[in-house]
Parts: sequence; structure tokens; C-alpha cells
Amino acid sequence: GQNIDQPTEMTATEGAIVQINCTYQTSGFNGLFWYQQHAGEAPTFLSYNVLDGLEEKGRFSSFLSRSKGYSYLLLKELQMKDSASYLCAVRGESGYSSASKIIFGSGTRLSIRP
Amino acid sequence: DAGVIQSPRHEVTEMGQEVTLRCKPISGHNSLFWYRQTMMRGLELLIYFNNNVPIDDSGMPEDRFSAKMPNASFSTLKIQPSEPRDSAVYFCASSQVSYEQYFGPGTRLTVT
Repeated sequence: GQNIDQPTEMTATEGAIVQINCTYQTSGFNGLFWYQQHAGEAPTFLSYNVLDGLEEKGRFSSFLSRSKGYSYLLLKELQMKDSASYLCAVRGESGYSSASKIIFGSGTRLSIRP
Repeated sequence: DAGVIQSPRHEVTEMGQEVTLRCKPISGHNSLFWYRQTMMRGLELLIYFNNNVPIDDSGMPEDRFSAKMPNASFSTLKIQPSEPRDSAVYFCASSQVSYEQYFGPGTRLTVT
């Protein structure tokens, strides 16, 4: 089967660093995505990892270990506007076409306190 | 680019009525996805198309749900007849093959 696990909720302090973990078990692997979703809005793309290692993009970084089925999203210098849900998503095996579907985790609701 | 366009943004209907949700993907994107999001079940993939062809509809909950993509710039998701448990936010997303998905603003459906 296919399964993506991430914590339901996390709380952090403005200016601090937070790490959101994601573990996955999927049929095949063709990349892992992180999306941010503010309440009442659509998910927006944050990062994409297909090879092991760390990808850094400004205050956000994403790490992948394919052998462990594990990823994390690291948010630095937290701001109040970072309060949102963070969704981990995995692209599994491709079908006969090159568009393979993406499975989303349930999301981690991050609350930032002053 | 205007991004993914969905209509209507809000829909309130009575149980048993037909509901049609519409989506215009980003020009040049050849994959289109329909998702449903609820508090209980999170974001669920219902169906996705590649080059206007349905690739995987295993997420479509029942025969009451159907989706079409008659051309590269338009898709519909239809629920007939609608039920209260169909109440959710329905997102359409599009992408180029192997790239990230861009989501539309969603349609909030309430079935009473």
C-alpha cells in the first residue's frame, strides 16, 4: 500500500527554527514535494527533492533520504505568516504515460507564537 | 498567466441536485488533476488526465462522480446526484509532466 506520515500539529516561536518530518511508503518513487497551505487557500509549491540530500531555498530547506523513506522540511527565522499547514507529497511509480500521480500526506498544522 | 481558474468559487445546493465544477488549466500544462479536501480525509486525488486522457480515476468515490476533459483548456467534474457527504473543497491543479502542480483557488461545495 501507499502511506505518508507526518505530525498533525506543531507549535514554534517567532524567529526560531522548526523541522517538520515526513516518512513515506509508496509503490515506486519519482520525487517528493512540500506544499504550504494557508487556511482557506490552495496549496502552493515549496520544494521538490528527487535525489538524496538537502535542497535550500531561502529560509526553507528540504531534505530527502530515499533509503529511509524520509524527508524533512526545515523553516528558519520563523515569521508569523509561516503559520499554515505543510503537506508532504510523493510521486510514485509512473504509469504508461510519464505523468504519475502524487499522493499527499494529511499535512502538519504549524502555529507560530510571538 | 492567470493561473488555474475554477468556477464557481462557492456552490450551495440541495441533496439530489446535479453539480458541475469547472476548471481551466494553465496554458501549456498537459496534466490536470482533480482533488477533494475535507478536514477528516485531507487532500484526496480523485482523477487525473494527461494530454486530455484520463489516466487514473481510482480515487473517484462512486459512480455519482464523473470527470471529462474535452480539450486541453477545459475540464469538468460532475456529481449527480449530490449528497451531503460530498460537501468539501474541490481543487483542480495542472502541471507540465514531472514538474510541480499548480492549484486553482478551489470550489467550496455545500450540499444541504
